[in-house]
Amino acid sequence: GQNIDQPTEMTATEGAIVQINCTYQTSGFNGLFWYQQHAGEAPTFLSYNVLDGLEEKGRFSSFLSRSKGYSYLLLKELQMKDSASYLCAVLDSNYQLIWGAGTKLIIKP
Amino acid sequence: GAVVSQHPSRVICKSGTSVKIECRSLDFQATTMFWYRQFPKQSLMLMATSNEGSKATYEQGVEKDKFLINHASLTLSTLTVTSAHPEDSSFYICSTRITDNEQFFGPGTRLTVL
Repeated sequence: GQNIDQPTEMTATEGAIVQINCTYQTSGFNGLFWYQQHAGEAPTFLSYNVLDGLEEKGRFSSFLSRSKGYSYLLLKELQMKDSASYLCAVLDSNYQLIWGAGTKLIIKP
Repeated sequence: GAVVSQHPSRVICKSGTSVKIECRSLDFQATTMFWYRQFPKQSLMLMATSNEGSKATYEQGVEKDKFLINHASLTLSTLTVTSAHPEDSSFYICSTRITDNEQFFGPGTRLTVL
């Protein structure tokens, strides 16, 4: 079956750095997405990786290793507004999005 | 990015009634829209893929007679929850995909069935 694993919850301190990991096992691979979702709101796009390596976009970076079925989202200089759930999703061989359960990130002052 | 709107944002209804949720793509023509459901503290679950001018494709376990989808135009898809029950209370989100790596979500509709 298809499976995406990410931690349920993480806690970090304002101003610090946090890394949210995602491992996946899917039928085919056409890219991996990271979305941010605040409580009660729809997800918003953060990043898309289809090739191995690190993609940097401001305070957020996303890394992908296809051979390991692994990705991480790195958040730097954490701000209180970064408190949200972070969803990892993989586009499989049928171009269907397979979603992880999300990681709830709690930022403490 | 593309703008997708949903209406209503919140709805409370009595058990047994039907609720219609609209999803509109505001700045481009969407031949395909996706309908998701999200229960508290869970991830998004794809319910169905809505195709303009043809029947929707439902995921396994989703009752097509209960969740009626109509995609009559390139800018509008509707999801009707028929004979809603408390277990249908959830966050319903539509989305559209422009390219493989560009998927945009509507703001979601919070449905509460009493």
